[in-house]
Amino acid sequence: EAQVTQNPRYLITVTGKKLTVTCSQNMNHEYMSWYRQDPGLGLRQIYYSMNVEVTDKGDVPEGYKVSRKEKRNFPLILESPSPNQTSLYFCASSSRGQRETQYFGPGTRLLVL
Amino acid sequence: QKEVEQDPGPLSVPEGAIVSLNCTYSNSAFQYFMWYRQYSRKGPELLMYTYSSGNKEDGRFTAQVDKSSKYISLFIRDSQPSDSATYLCAIEETSGSRLTFGEGTQLTVNP
Repeated sequence: EAQVTQNPRYLITVTGKKLTVTCSQNMNHEYMSWYRQDPGLGLRQIYYSMNVEVTDKGDVPEGYKVSRKEKRNFPLILESPSPNQTSLYFCASSSRGQRETQYFGPGTRLLVL
Repeated sequence: QKEVEQDPGPLSVPEGAIVSLNCTYSNSAFQYFMWYRQYSRKGPELLMYTYSSGNKEDGRFTAQVDKSSKYISLFIRDSQPSDSATYLCAIEETSGSRLTFGEGTQLTVNP
């Protein structure tokens, strides 16, 4: 079954404590991306990656890091989380140039105290 | 000004109604247009994808793009309670590049 998985699904943490949200896809997709979803603001792209070792900033990259060492994985790293990073996060993947193949993960709900 | 504007609703219609959802955008460089459906507590799923002006139909769903007016629409015919969800438009300049979403419109179809 084609899928994008994210872990953890729910996370409560405190300001400044580094955390990583993992994202993995089993479809051999080149393109992966991270979004955050906030009420009144919709989905905003944080980072995207068009292939291994190729990453680029989206609309709201501040406070986040990513890496793409393997094709299937695209972790999102918050080095020093702050309360304004409390949000619902989604990972997505697609074949390069084929947006029709895009899948989203189930989401990670993060609360930073 | 947001690059993509979408009325957040909420929109409530009776079962069987025709639903019209709309977005406007400001950047004429946008070439690819998408509609996503998002059920509560789920990730978005792609409904329609188009890269040209005109209409694209898929079952009860029709996506319409008017590049001259920078206006895109999604029509749902014979709406069903299972169509109750948030619908998001999304636009990108080139396929696979930065994707910009509208805020989403919350739709409820009442039996």
